[in-house]
Amino acid sequence: AQSVTQPDIHITVSEGASLELRCNYSYGATPYLFWYVQSPGQGLQLLLKYFSGDTLVQGIKGFEAEFKRSQSSFNLRKPSVHWSDAAEYFCAVGPYQAGTALIFGKGTTLSVSS
Amino acid sequence: DVKVTQSSRYLVKRTGEKVFLECVQDMDHENMFWYRQDPGLGLRLIYFSYDVKMKEKGDIPEGYSVSREKKERFSLILESASTNQTSMYLCASRATGTGLNTEAFFGQGTRLTVV
Repeated sequence: AQSVTQPDIHITVSEGASLELRCNYSYGATPYLFWYVQSPGQGLQLLLKYFSGDTLVQGIKGFEAEFKRSQSSFNLRKPSVHWSDAAEYFCAVGPYQAGTALIFGKGTTLSVSS
Repeated sequence: DVKVTQSSRYLVKRTGEKVFLECVQDMDHENMFWYRQDPGLGLRLIYFSYDVKMKEKGDIPEGYSVSREKKERFSLILESASTNQTSMYLCASRATGTGLNTEAFFGQGTRLTVV
């Protein structure tokens, strides 16, 4: 079955510290992979996406993610977290046929402490 | 700037009412989606549409229906609202085809409370 697992429900990081949010997926074909961020009461905003090619992808707001096929993972990283990064983060996988729905993980809530 | 617009940010409805949630996109996307978001459950797909007048059930279609009479508009209908349908509802659209520009674009969400 196709699925996305985000093992961490809630993470707290000190401002200025590095961040890694984990994402594992189960998918039968070559996937498209995405990370979205959601601020409280808002819709989802795309941070970055992986389609093919270089397995390290850069996104907005200083985020990056690395695709590891052997581990079925697509972890999100940021070298130095800012207080404004506090939000909920969703990993998603999509089929090669773009006309179908993305499958989302349950999300990781990031808190940033000063 | 691409846009998905949901008609209401907040709605309060009474049990048994018929509720319409409207979504409009300006990107000429073929595919539109309705998700429901609840704490700890992530985003769950209710229905999606890949063309005008076409629809497919998602993971949790019970108690919901949809309408897509025009390409840019996708409506979610709660035939008889119940308190367990209190939730955040997110609309999204996505282009058809393959390649880099295949992400989903989301509206701001509608927080529905059924009392």
